[in-house]
Amino acid sequence: EPEVTQTPSHQVTQMGQEVILRCVPISNHLYFYWYRQILGQKVEFLVSFYNNEISEKSEIFDDQFSVERPDGSNFTLKIRSTKLEDSAMYFCASSDPGFNEQYFGPGTRLTVT
Amino acid sequence: DAKTTQPNSMESNEEEPVHLPCNHSTISGTDYIHWYRQLPSQGPEYVIHGLTSNVNNRMASLAIAEDRKSSTLILHRATLRDAAVYYCIFSQGGSEKLVFGKGTKLTVNP
Repeated sequence: EPEVTQTPSHQVTQMGQEVILRCVPISNHLYFYWYRQILGQKVEFLVSFYNNEISEKSEIFDDQFSVERPDGSNFTLKIRSTKLEDSAMYFCASSDPGFNEQYFGPGTRLTVT
Repeated sequence: DAKTTQPNSMESNEEEPVHLPCNHSTISGTDYIHWYRQLPSQGPEYVIHGLTSNVNNRMASLAIAEDRKSSTLILHRATLRDAAVYYCIFSQGGSEKLVFGKGTKLTVNP
């Protein structure tokens, strides 16, 4: 069964550093998403991406965040200057054009020290 | 954001049916009802979705009230692997984003 993959599984970085989280969505999916979950809290929507542009974003997704689909398979989330409060589990998801089912990856745990 | 109401927690015994309720009184006629679950230390997992009619798939059944203001996720025979947080979600206005609440933490007893 096809699945969404994410790398790395755990990323430790220092405050102020840039990080790039990587995702490989399911191959025939056209909609891509990033969510995050701070430890013990709800899963929060960050951004959705379709046809090489952002289709929707949340208030969390400020100028420090960006997304890119650099090639036909990868989907990345960049945080330019990490803050302590960016520490969270980041989940990538993808869906087909009907977008009724979003398939989530296993997540990347980001720890900002 | 779209608001749903679910019990914080529920318990079930293994191999018994489980009925997980959800209220979504502000839902509009074109909003789909989605259920996802999150097993410990994993990403959310799609369970089922529906619009008006009851739906069945290999994982569960979804019973939707006639007025669509509530729904019930039915696990026909709970297993230990079904222990998870279950989220009832509806997307407003054709938005793609999923707005997760706190969900219902399901405990399955052996």
